[in-house]
Amino acid sequence: GAGVSQSPSNKVTEKGKDVELRCDPISGHTALYWYRQSLGQGLEFLIYFQGNSAPDKSGLPSDRFSAERTGGSVSTLTIQRTQQEDSAVYLCASSQMGRGAFFGQGTRLTVV
Amino acid sequence: AQKVTQAQTEISVVEKEDVTLDCVYETRDTTYYLFWYKQPPSGELVFLIRRNSFDEQNEISGRYSWNFQKSTSSFNFTITASQVVDSAVYFCALTPPGAGSYQLTFGKGTKLSVIP
Repeated sequence: GAGVSQSPSNKVTEKGKDVELRCDPISGHTALYWYRQSLGQGLEFLIYFQGNSAPDKSGLPSDRFSAERTGGSVSTLTIQRTQQEDSAVYLCASSQMGRGAFFGQGTRLTVV
Repeated sequence: AQKVTQAQTEISVVEKEDVTLDCVYETRDTTYYLFWYKQPPSGELVFLIRRNSFDEQNEISGRYSWNFQKSTSSFNFTITASQVVDSAVYFCALTPPGAGSYQLTFGKGTKLSVIP
């Protein structure tokens, strides 16, 4: 597609439920990133995929968070047993080697 | 460790005024990339510029210009003749060298309001 696409755009879930957030990167971009934006913490790096290399998961805040990227394209961020502090906007970005990252519009997650 | 500081939390200007957004960074790397992103109310982060630490030339793109000074670790962004559509939150970011933009460290952002 023309840009990075994320779905859903908004998600309200009950505390304790699992959620899946989807990211469709720009076609041909080998790098894919997940960031989280919340009021108190600003923009935080979560995870990075580059081609077929092992992902950099150093930013994942707990083992309730996981992500995968299938076929080098679409990525899914999964949050298990959601907590209220997980409420944030989750942003996905993709880039070509050595270029600026292009971001999607994000998924606003609200845990009630 | 890397750090990006945007000391201006919020700025308001009247349309057609010039405005400069400050960005100061800290890094132990000798090479790095610097970025500016714009986040309008729609929420999407819009890429504006990437600058390699080797290149200290100022850059101008239309009404936008960037002043990179390695000696003061600053990468300031100026909007000339501001317009209402420039109203957004602007983020400065830093990334270490490597295979492309990776693990961006963002500043807290500066919210710019352009008043008609």
